[in-house]
Amino acid sequence: QKEVEQNSGPLSVPEGAIASLNCTYSDRGSQSFFWYRQYSGKSPELIMFIYSNGDKEDGRFTAQLNKASQYVSLLIRDSQPSDSATYLCAVFNAGGTSYGKLTFGQGTILTVHP
Amino acid sequence: KAGVTQTPRYLIKTRGQQVTLSCSPISGHRSVSWYQQTPGQGLQFLFEYFSETQRNKGNFPGRFSGRQFSNSRSEMNVSTLELGDSALYLCASSPRGLGEQFFGPGTRLTVL
Repeated sequence: QKEVEQNSGPLSVPEGAIASLNCTYSDRGSQSFFWYRQYSGKSPELIMFIYSNGDKEDGRFTAQLNKASQYVSLLIRDSQPSDSATYLCAVFNAGGTSYGKLTFGQGTILTVHP
Repeated sequence: KAGVTQTPRYLIKTRGQQVTLSCSPISGHRSVSWYQQTPGQGLQFLFEYFSETQRNKGNFPGRFSGRQFSNSRSEMNVSTLELGDSALYLCASSPRGLGEQFFGPGTRLTVL
């Protein structure tokens, strides 16, 4: 089992719809969770992070965390063609140290069509 | 603040050669991590340096090594290059290295 799993997609949604991106992780001790966006030919950029169970909203983006189910998701409301990118889920686990380890999923390709 | 910079941006080498890649982190960031990104394996962690010390290492052979200087700049070296080392190598810096990473533009390495 991979440490961080994402559906590779591609996920295709029409402009204005809600895009839902999902991620599961295997280590119950994981502490914080990140979503990175990577445009084609570019490097990843952080768009959201979440530490506690529940929802966290930032503009059109909502991150959801359920530690009991070891599940993280990212919702993008009112999707725009400019949201078309690969979305990487990353999970951080300190493992009892002061530094820890960040593990990335394979990424989900999102395409928003006009 | 200037972002993370990486040099060179593109590199072509042949099998058996070695290569050194350079990374300058965001000013004030003491943690520098290196990742390898390929279409098949995704983004894989190589190692992390903090205050000139390697704190963490991924599952890569000893041909991959790195170091960090007192000004937080970092280099990674790959010796005896193999075709499978062709990839995008990304450097990321962080204030403390606890998950929030700021990525550089990457170095595209092609091994022929």
